[in-house]
Amino acid sequence: GAVVSQHPSRVICKSGTSVKIECRSLDFQATTMFWYRQFPKKSLMLMATSNEGSKATYEQGVEKDKFLINHASLTLSTLTVTSAHPEDSSFYICSASREVSYEQYFGPGTRLTVT
Amino acid sequence: AQKITQTQPGMFVQEKEAVTLDCTYDTSDPSYGLFWYKQPSSGEMIFLIYQGSYDQQNATEGRYSLNFQKARKSANLVISASQLGDSAMYFCAMREGPSGAGSYQLTFGKGTKLSVIP
Repeated sequence: GAVVSQHPSRVICKSGTSVKIECRSLDFQATTMFWYRQFPKKSLMLMATSNEGSKATYEQGVEKDKFLINHASLTLSTLTVTSAHPEDSSFYICSASREVSYEQYFGPGTRLTVT
Repeated sequence: AQKITQTQPGMFVQEKEAVTLDCTYDTSDPSYGLFWYKQPSSGEMIFLIYQGSYDQQNATEGRYSLNFQKARKSANLVISASQLGDSAMYFCAMREGPSGAGSYQLTFGKGTKLSVIP
């Protein structure tokens, strides 16, 4: 149990376009989902925390209008990178947590390349 | 100050030998949890082991054990009998706040790249 999927696994887009990444908990209800960004050979940096049905809480320095997060249901959260630029190229990883649980279950990640 | 410090950017270990990956942490919260994750080149984060701040015994999961020294604020990961498939990045992470009271953020260290030599 506790499987989290991400779609797409890889995406290449042109500068100025928007890209949507989906994060789904397949076999449990995720009250909280987290979005991380990871640069090559670097650690995971938390971007935002989203709770189902409420607005996401963004970390300092993360642009809310650029990285739109929607947690519409207990099994789905989406991250939309708007007006993408080459510097947005990165590995984006989501994780999901059950209510009353210390453990986060990670998705396999999405590699975004903006040309 | 960094909350999680992993001082070893890279480590090498001979196959079948044991290896210790260092992790120190900084928190003033009496309730916290410490995690270790493995990230192979494919990118997925694989949960390895968890230690709660009030746990009396060191956590163990198969070949993984956590050497928890609370007074020194260290939570080193010990991998016994290393295998070639253990080659990966290893991240130490911390959750501040009690478990069972909701979902909390994780703060990650910079990671240690482990290479297992045949």
